[in-house]
Amino acid sequence: DAKTTQPPSMDCAEGRAANLPCNHSTISGNEYVYWYRQIHSQGPQYIIHGLKNNETNEMASLIITEDRKSSTLILPHATLRDTAVYYCIVLYSGAGSYQLTFGKGTKLSVIP
Amino acid sequence: NAGVTQTPKFQVLKTGQSMTLQCAQDMNHEYMSWYRQDPGMGLRLIHYSVGAGITDQGEVPNGYNVSRSTTEDFPLRLLSAAPSQTSVYFCASRRTGVNQPQHFGDGTRLSIL
Repeated sequence: DAKTTQPPSMDCAEGRAANLPCNHSTISGNEYVYWYRQIHSQGPQYIIHGLKNNETNEMASLIITEDRKSSTLILPHATLRDTAVYYCIVLYSGAGSYQLTFGKGTKLSVIP
Repeated sequence: NAGVTQTPKFQVLKTGQSMTLQCAQDMNHEYMSWYRQDPGMGLRLIHYSVGAGITDQGEVPNGYNVSRSTTEDFPLRLLSAAPSQTSVYFCASRRTGVNQPQHFGDGTRLSIL
């Protein structure tokens, strides 16, 4: 699986958009970009994933560059409840087993 | 929506005791798995199941047993607890097929004295 690089921490004002970057310069053609987050004392929460097109769901948007070497997770209107560690993961997950490997992630602090 | 439910949320055991961590999902997902999360270690896969009656080992299976008699339930058994098994345990499920995201429970925090 391709390695990812994320900033260790970011701050965001409540109500503003939070833009979390991720570099994955060694991504392979069939590998997807996944984003999960982990709020303190809770289980990891799936946010969004994509291959090469931009994706949007009720939680966030995912912007993947044309060369697929980096991506940005956008939380359009951050709230205090979005304070968490955000993990960018690049992998191809087949129909069988795959292991999610979380790196250090980005600790996002949403500030009132 | 219940999603993935784990019980208990907290447990303290003595070395040598046995116990079962429960995991249930109501999304009709075929695939279920157990992870442990330790400080600085990230998530490590213990066991997984691709459907009822089918289980297999992950990265760190020693000391743990699993079974999958129904689609909904995937219990994790510690036969003889050891202090090295002190950890936070997460159960996850997903649909079969490629590139399906995993959905996690809120975890069981287990301390073994």
